[in-house]
Amino acid sequence: ELKVEQNPLFLSMQEGKNYTIYCNYSTTSDRLYWYRQDPGKSLESLFVLLSNGAVKQEGRLMASLDTKARLSTLHITAAVHDLSATYFCAVDAPEGVNQFYFGTGTSLTVIP
Amino acid sequence: EAQVTQNPRYLITVTGKKLTVTCSQNMNHEYMSWYRQDPGLGLRQIYYSMNVEATDKGDVPEGYKVSRKEKRNFPLILESPSPNQTSLYFCASSSLAGGSREQFFGPGTRLTVL
Repeated sequence: ELKVEQNPLFLSMQEGKNYTIYCNYSTTSDRLYWYRQDPGKSLESLFVLLSNGAVKQEGRLMASLDTKARLSTLHITAAVHDLSATYFCAVDAPEGVNQFYFGTGTSLTVIP
Repeated sequence: EAQVTQNPRYLITVTGKKLTVTCSQNMNHEYMSWYRQDPGLGLRQIYYSMNVEATDKGDVPEGYKVSRKEKRNFPLILESPSPNQTSLYFCASSSLAGGSREQFFGPGTRLTVL
């Protein structure tokens, strides 16, 4: 079974600070996704990373993928309160296996 | 508007009373999936479907059934719900064309089984 681990699980940070969320997975996969979930809401797609070395940026968030290390990072630059949410990474299983595996999520709170 | 819809959004029921949660997408996606979300466990895949009449088990299929008779619909059936199926359920869909399988999620169904 493919395992996806995120850390930290909980993150409280001050506005203006930088931080990184890590997503490790246990098997080969070239496709990794980041989602955001606001309290009581559904999941919203943030980034799609489809190859080794892929980097995507949107506003204060930047995601990267290292398939050799089986690691993705979500970097937050100069955090603002609006970024408070839970962030999930998800991995597409290897070819021939059509399941998706989600990490347990990182609950981010940005404090003024 | 491209979307995934689920009904009902909230449901309180009793143990053993069969229920169905509907899911529909209007994006002509081949892939559809059901997840349950529980605190501390993230999202876990219950069942998925690659296309019409093609369904398969995810990680936590026990106690659930699905069907895919039409491309747009993927209902989740609980034949005899139990309290451990109290959870937040999400339906999602994605295209299988191209390299990405980015999933689009429905609004969620909060189920309580008493």
